[in-house]
Amino acid sequence: DAMVIQNPRYQVTQFGKPVTLSCSQTLNHNVMYWYQQKSSQAPKLLFHYYDKDFNNEADTPDNFQSRRPNTSFCFLDIRSPGLGDAAMYLCATALFAGETQYFGPGTRLLVL
Amino acid sequence: SQQGEEDPQALSIQEGENATMNCSYKTSINNLQWYRQNSGRGLVHLILIRSNEREKHSGRLRVTLDTSKKSSSLLITASRAADTASYFCATEGNFGNEKLTFGTGTRLTIIP
Repeated sequence: DAMVIQNPRYQVTQFGKPVTLSCSQTLNHNVMYWYQQKSSQAPKLLFHYYDKDFNNEADTPDNFQSRRPNTSFCFLDIRSPGLGDAAMYLCATALFAGETQYFGPGTRLLVL
Repeated sequence: SQQGEEDPQALSIQEGENATMNCSYKTSINNLQWYRQNSGRGLVHLILIRSNEREKHSGRLRVTLDTSKKSSSLLITASRAADTASYFCATEGNFGNEKLTFGTGTRLTIIP
């Protein structure tokens, strides 16, 4: 049974065209994370929510926004994708901050 | 940055042999976690070891933690082809900022 679901699995967008990636969870976890992972690199945290509290990483570009309308769903909005934003985007959840994270399968974003 | 360094960056061994990966980090931690990532997929949690623990086992996995040296190792015994993946360590700092910092990863290839 899927616990962290990401849609779509693959997303192709045009340079500058806004795109939204979605993540949902059935675990009722408090914390949801968004990571960006480029080829052969470690996941890089963009931001996370602890319940409704939003925590942005200092080096996350303003081009990246997030919404968490309820416990189950979290969205990543890229307002004006650039070629450098092509990457795998991973969503993860945790019951409590700093504890085991459960990852979704990721969304691979391609920017043309 | 507290990002961990993993050693080696890549490791190829014959099926049935043991694989050892090492992780070093920079600041004090609450816990250290190991994750596996198959190519193009999300991360899967393997094991969590807390700062007051020195060794932990889970099936064919053995993790050690030496907080005095700020290092950890992951041993996979009797490797199988299905163990081929990238392995990441991740640390939770003890300054309560609710996030994990991932290491650079080790790419493990098991040769049948």
